[in-house]
Amino acid sequence: QKEVEQDPGPLSVPEGAIVSLNCTYSNSAFQYFMWYRQYSRKGPELLMYTYSSGNKEDGRFTAQVDKSSKYISLFIRDSQPSDSATYLCATSGGYNKLIFGAGTRLAVHP
Amino acid sequence: ETGVTQTPRHLVMGMTNKKSLKCEQHLGHNAMYWYKQSAKKPLELMFVYNFKEQTENNSVPSRFSPECPNSSHLFLHLHTLQPEDSALYLCASSQGRAGGRSTDTQYFGPGTRLTVL
Repeated sequence: QKEVEQDPGPLSVPEGAIVSLNCTYSNSAFQYFMWYRQYSRKGPELLMYTYSSGNKEDGRFTAQVDKSSKYISLFIRDSQPSDSATYLCATSGGYNKLIFGAGTRLAVHP
Repeated sequence: ETGVTQTPRHLVMGMTNKKSLKCEQHLGHNAMYWYKQSAKKPLELMFVYNFKEQTENNSVPSRFSPECPNSSHLFLHLHTLQPEDSALYLCASSQGRAGGRSTDTQYFGPGTRLTVL
């Protein structure tokens, strides 16, 4: 079983839609969870991170962690074409060691 | 230059060639990383350096040889690669305090797109 599972998509939505991106993880000891965004021909950039369970909101983005079901989500409200990118979930597997999902490719069309 | 830079951005090499990838960070960080990114696969951590010391080697074949001469520069020396080594190679850096938190944000460079013929 992979440590972090993520549906690679692609996911195509119309502009203005609410997007839900999800990952599951296997190790209940993981405490830190991140979402990275990667535009084409660029490196990943940190979008949000959360510690343990709960929600964190930043503008149109909300990160959610449910430790009981080992499920992490990223919601994007009022999606824009500029949100088109690959979204990578990641969790911390120890000092300086991030474990990534495969990434979900999102396309937001006007 | 700001952030994390990588050169070259694209590299095509034969299986018998020797080449090197270069990474430089301008963030004052002490930890640097090499990752491999293949299509539809998770980023694979290859090497970690903390304060110039290698602290992680994720069972990487010896045809990949890292070098960290100082905390701002990281190299990946390549020799006798295989076609399956074709991928995007990403460098990242983080604060890397000794005994630091696992939440240290990693900042990525744009990557080197490597093609092995």
